[in-house]
Amino acid sequence: EPEVTQTPSHQVTQMGQEVILRCVPISNHLYFYWYRQILGQKVEFLVSFYNNEISEKSEIFDDQFSVERPDGSNFTLKIRSTKLEDSAMYFCASRGPLRAYNEQFFGPGTRLTVL
Amino acid sequence: AQSVSQHNHHVILSEAASLELGCNYSYGGTVNLFWYVQYPGQHLQLLLKYFSGDPLVKGIKGFEAEFIKSKFSFNLRKPSVQWSDTAEYFCAVYNTNAGKSTFGDGTTLTVKP
Repeated sequence: EPEVTQTPSHQVTQMGQEVILRCVPISNHLYFYWYRQILGQKVEFLVSFYNNEISEKSEIFDDQFSVERPDGSNFTLKIRSTKLEDSAMYFCASRGPLRAYNEQFFGPGTRLTVL
Repeated sequence: AQSVSQHNHHVILSEAASLELGCNYSYGGTVNLFWYVQYPGQHLQLLLKYFSGDPLVKGIKGFEAEFIKSKFSFNLRKPSVQWSDTAEYFCAVYNTNAGKSTFGDGTTLTVKP
């Protein structure tokens, strides 16, 4: 069964550094998402992406964040100048081509630790 | 704004007890409903989903959920829990207009052997 993959599984970085989290969505999916889960808290929506542009973003998704689909298969989340409070699990998700099928398939997550 | 409420923050049960976790959502439009489970240190796994049709949906591992539109609820049930069901459970609502999911705060289930 096709699945969403994410790399790395765990990223440790120093405060102020830039990180890029990578996701490979399911191949025929057209809608892509990033969610965040701070330890012990709920999963929060960050951004959705369709047709090479952001379709929706939360108030969390400020200028520090950016997303890109650089090569037609990867979907990346870039966090510039990381802060301690960016430490969280970041989940990528993708959704199929038909609007009627609104199930998001989540990846295993990348645990980001900012020191 | 859409919101999802999970009434039980932490539930402790003994093995073989019955489980019901509450979930209510606020959005009145077309929604798709999901329950996810997150075992300690692991990622989200889909337990079950509701799109349309029979409001009683069955998922994996013996879980089921009932969609009651008039109550904006989608409660998760299992007749007899096992120790291996110890995990965090998240209710989520996909808003078809906004194109995103909103998650509840989660319920931690601890099953004592």
